[in-house]
Amino acid sequence: SQQGEEDPQALSIQEGENATMNCSYKTSINNLQWYRQNSGRGLVHLILIRSNEREKHSGRLRVTLDTSKKSSSLLITASRAADTASYFCATYSGGGADGLTFGKGTHLIIQP
Amino acid sequence: NAGVMQNPRHLVRRRGQEARLRCSPMKGHSHVYWYRQLPEEGLKFMVYLQKENIIDESGMPKERFSAEFPKEGPSILRIQQVVRGDSAAYFCASSQRQGREAWRKETQYFGPGTRLLVL
Repeated sequence: SQQGEEDPQALSIQEGENATMNCSYKTSINNLQWYRQNSGRGLVHLILIRSNEREKHSGRLRVTLDTSKKSSSLLITASRAADTASYFCATYSGGGADGLTFGKGTHLIIQP
Repeated sequence: NAGVMQNPRHLVRRRGQEARLRCSPMKGHSHVYWYRQLPEEGLKFMVYLQKENIIDESGMPKERFSAEFPKEGPSILRIQQVVRGDSAAYFCASSQRQGREAWRKETQYFGPGTRLLVL
């Protein structure tokens, strides 16, 4: 599997429900970031969690990081139709690897 | 405060032509990254530049692709003699500062992308 691989690949839920997406990675990281991409658009940065942090909140978003399992989760509470998008996790490893490593993303559909 | 700007937003080229993609980082940002996104895929890192320097081009194809970030003006990603497989969305990102392991990585802010179609 790839570094920063999201699970599930696609998720469809009813408006108002919570959506949970997971991300696994292979190498050690300095931080992990979640991005949202609406169809045909650019990426919007959602949240960054550093390797020494375990949980972070931003509005309706909650991100957890478990470095022992090399995994992260993104929870969106009280979902809205406008949350329909693809969500990507991206890791930064440092040590001379300067770019972010992205997974293939989770495509989230919120049914009204 | 304007975000990362990319132009053109859409570019159509015939096989064998050259494609030039431009990126202006956010104000105050001096570090630029280029990524490529194939359909239904995540982004793949291509190159990281600072003003007048290529820092990391480990993701760049060895041939036909080049990037620059001059002292003045935008960063340019140049693809010579394009082929159909170059069709993709190319995203630029910028950040405020960078460093090696001693530094914390800053957030990268992405532009809207340039969608290249090679006919």
